[in-house]
Amino acid sequence: GAGVSQSPRYKVAKRGQDVALRCDPISGHVSLFWYQQALGQGPEFLTYFQNEAQLDKSGLPSDRFFAERPEGSVSTLKIQRTQQEDSAVYLCASTTGGREAFFGQGTRLTVV
Amino acid sequence: AQSVTQLDSQVPVFEEAPVELRCNYSSSVSVYLFWYVQYPNQGLQLLLKYLSGSTLVKGINGFEAEFNKSQTSFHLRKPSVHISDTAEYFCAVSGLKTSYDKVIFGPGTSLSVIP
Repeated sequence: GAGVSQSPRYKVAKRGQDVALRCDPISGHVSLFWYQQALGQGPEFLTYFQNEAQLDKSGLPSDRFFAERPEGSVSTLKIQRTQQEDSAVYLCASTTGGREAFFGQGTRLTVV
Repeated sequence: AQSVTQLDSQVPVFEEAPVELRCNYSSSVSVYLFWYVQYPNQGLQLLLKYLSGSTLVKGINGFEAEFNKSQTSFHLRKPSVHISDTAEYFCAVSGLKTSYDKVIFGPGTSLSVIP
């Protein structure tokens, strides 16, 4: 596609519900990042994939957060048993490795 | 590990006036530096990047930034701002690993252009 696509754009979840956020990177981009952006803050790194391999998951805040990219293209960020502190915008970015990351518009998650 | 400081959380400026958004970084290794802009309800768009070479980097929309290694700074400037420049600006840093290094973002500066 022309850019990084994320879905849904908005998600409201009841506390305790599981959610899945999808990222379609730019075709051919090897690297994929997930970031969490709380209101009024800068993006915080969550995890990184190179093709299907998850090489860095040091930013995942708890074991309730899980990410996968099984075929090296589309990625899914899953949050189990959501809590209010999980409310944020989740950004996905992809890159060819040339250090310019292309970002999607994000998914705004609100946990009520 | 790297970190980024943006001392000004909010910068109001009149239209057609110059602006400087400050960024300082901390790193034990050489780095790449970036400025991203985020418009309301949008993702992040790259304004400019410093990888190597000339320390003065020109980007889109008339912005430029200067890398100062001794002061560990990468301030963003524009000589004359427009209303459309109102947005959130993020400075970011990435370490010079051979394969990849995650991009670390600062807390952001909210630029408000006043008509």
